[in-house]
Amino acid sequence: QVQLVQSGAEVKKPGASVKVSCKASGYTFTSYGISWVRQAPGQGLEWMGWISAYNGNTNYAQKLQGRVTMTTDTSTSTAYMELRSLRSDDTAVYYCARDFLPFAVVVGNWFDPWGQGTLVTVSS
Amino acid sequence: EIVLTQSPGTLSLSPGERATLSCRASQSVSSSYLAWYQQKPGQAPRLLIYGASSRATGIPDRFSGSGSGTDFTLTISRLEPEDFAVYYCQQYGSSPTFGQGTKVEIK
Repeated sequence: QVQLVQSGAEVKKPGASVKVSCKASGYTFTSYGISWVRQAPGQGLEWMGWISAYNGNTNYAQKLQGRVTMTTDTSTSTAYMELRSLRSDDTAVYYCARDFLPFAVVVGNWFDPWGQGTLVTVSS
Repeated sequence: EIVLTQSPGTLSLSPGERATLSCRASQSVSSSYLAWYQQKPGQAPRLLIYGASSRATGIPDRFSGSGSGTDFTLTISRLEPEDFAVYYCQQYGSSPTFGQGTKVEIK
């Protein structure tokens, strides 16, 4: 079955960077885009950006431009999200989620399935 | 950026009752690029509805979506115990955004 399995929880100090992985299985990795969504404690969902696993095209949320980088490793069917210059308000659960439809060249798809989430805590 | 406003913030209902959740967009959502997700505590969101009214695979038919343009609705015809959760709408245009969520709680 289609599955996204994310890396484990992280604790980082302010100013540090974090890199979260999302390993895909059960489908052709390069046919689908992956979005990253985060959820601060007790808050709603925030879309962070999207990457095409086909050609590496990216589309980042404006508020995170310059701090976030999304990449893929097609040899291991894994997507990565790196967030730099961490602040306390970056404390959140980070989810990866796959485009439902394949072969998208730009973001514009609903998300299914989702990874299980990775808690990133930023604290001094 | 399209802002999605969900109402009410909390809906207190009993099992068997009908739930009506609203999602209003700050500008027209193109091609009904509107989805609904259910999230339970400690779990990832789960896709319910896409294209404003199409049910995802395995979603019971008590869940239905409707609307177009700027006004969308998720209806749960008869609440089951497992339906008490938080529901989010999402527009998945060029810069996806989510509503702030509606919590459906047991009365």
